[in-house]
Amino acid sequence: GIQVEQSPPDLILQEGANSTLRCNFSDSVNNLQWFHQNPWGQLINLFYIPSGTKQNGRLSATTVATERYSLLYISSSQTTDSGVYFCAVGYTGGFKTIFGAGTRLFVKA
Amino acid sequence: GAVVSQHPSWVICKSGTSVKIECRSLDFQATTMFWYRQFPKQSLMLMATSNEGSKATYEQGVEKDKFLINHASLTLSTLTVTSAHPEDSSFYICSARVPWRGQGMETQYFGPGTRLLVL
Repeated sequence: GIQVEQSPPDLILQEGANSTLRCNFSDSVNNLQWFHQNPWGQLINLFYIPSGTKQNGRLSATTVATERYSLLYISSSQTTDSGVYFCAVGYTGGFKTIFGAGTRLFVKA
Repeated sequence: GAVVSQHPSWVICKSGTSVKIECRSLDFQATTMFWYRQFPKQSLMLMATSNEGSKATYEQGVEKDKFLINHASLTLSTLTVTSAHPEDSSFYICSARVPWRGQGMETQYFGPGTRLLVL
């Protein structure tokens, strides 16, 4: 089945710093989402981005489907950005959503 | 829009009892919902796909008789952990896919999760 790899696994930032999170996938996808899981466990939709670039405030994401990767950019990080960021893909011919292992982010004040 | 609720948010039970978790789509109809399980510091593991009006599709290694899923209506799916044991303690999360305006896009929305502790 399709493999989804996220990097880095852990990331510690000073408040105000920028970061890039990466998601690599092993096969063609027709659906890719980025989620933020807050400390209480709630998964929050960040982007639906099977291809192209989107921006929402301090966050932006780019997916290059032909090269099978997606990037999530966080600028001017804040302590509230802490949590786990998941990349999840739906693959062509399949119905399930496959999650990566996540990137655990901690932003220090 | 696209709100998914879960109830209860947490439950503590004795070993051997059964626990029912409800997942509701509040402002849309969901023909398909998904149930995930998440252990501490791990990713989400898909347990089963819940289909309205038909039997759930379980992932390999998930016991059908242990985790009973019923998708009774287009807005409600339930997961019952039968004869729960301490190893069933986990964070259970449901989700639903929302097709957007026939554009061929589907976005998955998640409930807030249910923390189960079996003593």
